Amino acid sequence: DTEVTQTPKHLVMGMTNKKSLKCEQHMGHRAMYWYKQKAKKPPELMFVYSYEKLSINESVPSRFSPECPNSSLLNLHLHALQPEDSALYLCASSQVRAYNEQFFGPGTRLTVL
Amino acid sequence: DAKTTQPNSMESNEEEPVHLPCNHSTISGTDYIHWYRQLPSQGPEYVIHGLTSNVNNRMASLAIAEDRKSSTLILHRATLRDAAVYYCILRVPLHAGNMLTFGGGTRLMVKP
Repeated sequence: DTEVTQTPKHLVMGMTNKKSLKCEQHMGHRAMYWYKQKAKKPPELMFVYSYEKLSINESVPSRFSPECPNSSLLNLHLHALQPEDSALYLCASSQVRAYNEQFFGPGTRLTVL
Repeated sequence: DAKTTQPNSMESNEEEPVHLPCNHSTISGTDYIHWYRQLPSQGPEYVIHGLTSNVNNRMASLAIAEDRKSSTLILHRATLRDAAVYYCILRVPLHAGNMLTFGGGTRLMVKP
């Protein structure tokens, strides 16, 4: 199984809502990532988890709160988002060793009204 | 961070070879060169990577200049399914995972 799954596929939320994005992989990878991709732009790294611990936070606003409850699951909790946070949110996983490829999920398309 | 420079777009005919260039003049000795592509409405997918030597796999070939300041991704026979944005990325080895810093990428269009 070389698949990274993300749910939901689409999400529309208001600025006062609280929602969560979910990402799952069963490849035994111990590094997991969240990226944000605006339309017609490349993906930008948000967070890196290694062995279920947050290792990199790329100065992401606190309205985005990541969580890695176990080695297969990665969540991104959203609260008080702004319309400019509307984007495709991509999850990826890899072995921890630096040269390994990352496997990406299909993303969650988020719209903030 | 070392950066990469790629043409914004390229066009190819179906079943012809495609050479996608990438400049990375500030590459350091430990940076791996990775290529990913992103098909429409999908997440990026790994294509190939290398450090110093040329590399081949079932998807593509990677030719790395001797001074490592540039590289070329070669698709031997382009198909319509290869139409995507191709990203050349310098992979920074970290002890705690690794970072992919995507540049602008090259949008490849394949004509039938």
